[in-house]
Amino acid sequence: GIQVEQSPPDLILQEGANSTLRCNFSDSVNNLQWFHQNPWGQLINLFYIPSGTKQNGRLSATTVATERYSLLYISSSQTTDSGVYFCAVLKTSYDKVIFGPGTSLSVIP
Amino acid sequence: GAVVSQHPSWVICKSGTSVKIECRSLDFQATTMFWYRQFPKQSLMLMATSNEGSKATYEQGVEKDKFLINHASLTLSTLTVTSAHPEDSSFYICSARGGLAGHPAYNEQFFGPGTRLTVL
Repeated sequence: GIQVEQSPPDLILQEGANSTLRCNFSDSVNNLQWFHQNPWGQLINLFYIPSGTKQNGRLSATTVATERYSLLYISSSQTTDSGVYFCAVLKTSYDKVIFGPGTSLSVIP
Repeated sequence: GAVVSQHPSWVICKSGTSVKIECRSLDFQATTMFWYRQFPKQSLMLMATSNEGSKATYEQGVEKDKFLINHASLTLSTLTVTSAHPEDSSFYICSARGGLAGHPAYNEQFFGPGTRLTVL
């Protein structure tokens, strides 16, 4: 099955700093999503991005499907950005979604 | 975006009892819902895929008699942990696939807030 890796596993940022999170996957995919899991456990959809680039406020994401990776950019980080960021991929509509191990982000004041 | 609710948000029960967790899609119809389990500081592990009107598909290693799944309508799936034991304590999360077949966002998943189960 598809292997999903995320880096870095842990990240500590000063408030206001920028960061880039990476997701690598081992096979072609039809779907890729980025999620933020807040400290209460809620998974929040950030991007549905099988390919291309999308932006939403301080966050943006780029997926290069041919090279099997996706990047999540966080600019001007805030303490509320803390939590775990997961990427999840789906090969076809009939396959299960595979989650990466996550990147744990802590933004300190 | 689409909204998925879960109830209860947390539950504490005695060993040997059964616990039912509900997952509802509030503003869309979901022919397929998914149940995940998450241990502390770990990623989500898919337990089963729930299809409306048919039997759930369980992942390898997940006991179907232990974790009963029912998807009775296009907006409701339930997970019942039968004869719960302390090792079943975990965070259970459901998700629903939004959009119509053929729509570009068909495979986008929306997650419920999760249910924290503690078995004493």
